[in-house]
Amino acid sequence: AQTVTQSQPEMSVQEAETVTLSCTYDTSESNYYLFWYKQPPSRQMILVIRQEAYKQQNATENRFSVNFQKAAKSFSLKISDSQLGDTAMYFCAFSYTGTASKLTFGTGTRLQVTL
Amino acid sequence: EAGVAQSPRYKIIEKRQSVAFWCNPISGHATLYWYQQILGQGPKLLIQFQNNGVVDDSQLPKDRFSAERLKGVDSTLKIQPAKLEDSAVYLCASSGRLGYEQYFGPGTRLTVT
Repeated sequence: AQTVTQSQPEMSVQEAETVTLSCTYDTSESNYYLFWYKQPPSRQMILVIRQEAYKQQNATENRFSVNFQKAAKSFSLKISDSQLGDTAMYFCAFSYTGTASKLTFGTGTRLQVTL
Repeated sequence: EAGVAQSPRYKIIEKRQSVAFWCNPISGHATLYWYQQILGQGPKLLIQFQNNGVVDDSQLPKDRFSAERLKGVDSTLKIQPAKLEDSAVYLCASSGRLGYEQYFGPGTRLTVT
């Protein structure tokens, strides 16, 4: 079974600075999806970014980018130009490919953006 | 397009009582998921439906939890009887043709006293 590990329970960054959240995972599959989800205090889980394992190019969505290292089974999230609205819990998640596969989540990293 | 709807948002019950949560997925989404999120942890899948059939319920405590998805649309998750350790946020999610993209509802926070 796959596992997802987030070793940073809490992080803090100043507004406009850059922060990197770490995630490692374990699987025997060669093709899969990796995700970063954001969960603000309101609890609504929102997809931030997705990476397909067969793609070598790192995914980017505006201020959010990932560093996907398949051999090392590492999947970090970089947030550039941090904003107060980025304050939230961030979860790394894994799913198999194929139709409608469940998500396996890490334990999350609480990010606080300060002035 | 309307998002995933859940009710109630909050529920407080005493142990051994029963409780039910409701979820209405995004229109047209065939797959529906119920996740349990205990404080300080990531969500964990309880049950997954494809239309009105169960795909995965391996992590559902079947002695006390039950779920149904009648007509392949709305779903209800029930706990009977509740235990203190059932205190958690219960998240419903749905996915459509792009099965890897799940959309989450706002969740129901259950407190068992």
